[in-house]
Amino acid sequence: EVQLVESGGGLVQPGRSLRLSCAASGFTFDDYAMHWVRQAPGKGLEWVSGISWNSGSIGYADSVKGRFTISRDNAKNSLYLQMNSLRAEDTALYYCAKDSNDYGDYGEAFDIWGQGTMVTVSS
Amino acid sequence: SSELTQDPAVSVALGQTVRITCQGDSLRSYYASWYQQKPGQAPVLVIYGKNNRPSGIPDRFSGSSSGNTASLTITGAQAEDEADYYCNSRDSSGNHLYVFGTGTKVTVL
Repeated sequence: EVQLVESGGGLVQPGRSLRLSCAASGFTFDDYAMHWVRQAPGKGLEWVSGISWNSGSIGYADSVKGRFTISRDNAKNSLYLQMNSLRAEDTALYYCAKDSNDYGDYGEAFDIWGQGTMVTVSS
Repeated sequence: SSELTQDPAVSVALGQTVRITCQGDSLRSYYASWYQQKPGQAPVLVIYGKNNRPSGIPDRFSGSSSGNTASLTITGAQAEDEADYYCNSRDSSGNHLYVFGTGTKVTVL
C-alpha cells in the first residue's frame, strides 16, 4: 500500500524552529519529486515547497522562502521540512504529497497525500 | 506569483450536473489538477492532465480547459460528492513551482 506518514508537528513559540518528517512506503521513493502543502485552520491549500528526486531542483513559496528548508534522504525513504523563525501565520496542518511524474522531476499533480501533521505557533 | 481563482461555493441537485471553474494566467501554459477534500480528511486527486482520472475515481468526474480557464464537471452528482474542491497548476510566473486555487465548496441538495 502506498503511504505517506507525517510527524514532528506540535506547539512551538514564535521565532523557534521545528522539523517535520514524512515517511514514505509502498513505492520507489527516489523515482518521484515530493512536496509539502499546508492548510491553515478553516482556510484553503497552500503549496509550500517541492524537491526533485535527486534534490537537484528545489522550490519554495514566497511566504516561507529563507525560513524553511526542504530535504530528502532517499536511503531512508524520507522527506523533511526544517522550519525556522516560525510565525503565527505558519500555523497549519502540513501535508506531505507525492508528485505524479515518475521521471523524478515535477509533474502535473500530487497523487498521494499523507494525513498531515499540525503545527501551532503561539506563545 | 500567479493566482488561481474559483467561485467560493456552488450547489447542485442530486443527480444533476455541476461545473466548477478555475481561472488564472498559468492555465494558458499548464493543465490544472483537481482535488476533492472532505471535512477532516486529506485532499484526494480526482482529475489531472488533459482529462485523466486516477484509479478509483468515478467517471462522473471530468476535466476540460480553454484559454485561462480550467473546469471540473461532475455529471450526475451524488451525495458523497459534497466537499471542497481545489484546482492546482504549475506557476508560469517562475516564482513558485505550483499554485492552488481558492477552493469551491460544493453542496449537493
